[in-house]
Amino acid sequence: DVKVTQSSRYLVKRTGEKVFLECVQDMDHENMFWYRQDPGLGLRLIYFSYDVKMKEKGDIPEGYSVSREKKERFSLILESASTNQTSMYLCASSQTGQGNTIYFGEGSWLTVV
Amino acid sequence: AQSVTQLDSQVPVFEEAPVELRCNYSSSVSVYLFWYVQYPNQGLQLLLKYLSGSTLVKGINGFEAEFNKSQTSFHLRKPSVHISDTAEYFCAVSEYNFNKFYFGSGTKLNVKP
Repeated sequence: DVKVTQSSRYLVKRTGEKVFLECVQDMDHENMFWYRQDPGLGLRLIYFSYDVKMKEKGDIPEGYSVSREKKERFSLILESASTNQTSMYLCASSQTGQGNTIYFGEGSWLTVV
Repeated sequence: AQSVTQLDSQVPVFEEAPVELRCNYSSSVSVYLFWYVQYPNQGLQLLLKYLSGSTLVKGINGFEAEFNKSQTSFHLRKPSVHISDTAEYFCAVSEYNFNKFYFGSGTKLNVKP
C-alpha cells in the first residue's frame, strides 16, 4: 500500500520562528510536491521536486524553501513564519510518467500566532 | 499553465438523490484528468482518472465521470448518494509530458438525510 507520511499533523508556532515540515514517501517516487490548502482557494503548489537536490518553484513559493537530500524525503521550510502562513499543508508524490497518480499525505495543520 | 474551474463551491443534496459535480479545464492540449475526494481532516484520495480510451470512467464508491474534449469538461456523477459521501471533491489536470498537477478550488458535497 502506498504511503506518504507527514511528520506532524498539528503545529502551533510563533511569528518569526523557523518551521520545518517533513514528508517521507515509501514508493520510490521521483516527484514530490508541497501544496497549501486554504478554504475557497483549493490546492496551490508551493514547490515541487523531480529528483534529489532538484526543485522548482510552484505558484506561491514566496516565504518558503524546500530541501530534498534523499529521494524519499522532502522538507518544507518556513524561514520566518508569519500569520498569513497559517494553513493546511499537503505533501504528495508521484512516479514520473504519463498519467501517473499523485498520492497525498494526511496533511499538516500549521497555526502561526 | 492550466486552469481548472469547479463551478460549484457547495452542493447540498438529499440522500439517495443523484448528483453531478462540474469541472472544466482550460487547455486544448492533451491532458490527463482526475477526481480526488477529501474527507474531513484527511489528505486527498483518488476517486478516478481518465488517461485515454472510453470517455466514461468508473471509480470507487459508485462514482463515474465523463470526459468531453470539445467542452473541455470532466464532470463527476453518482446516481444515488449516501451520507458517507459528504466530503470535498477536487478535480485535477496534468498535461502530457509534465509532472505538474493543477487542482480546482474544490466542491463541498453535503448529503442530508
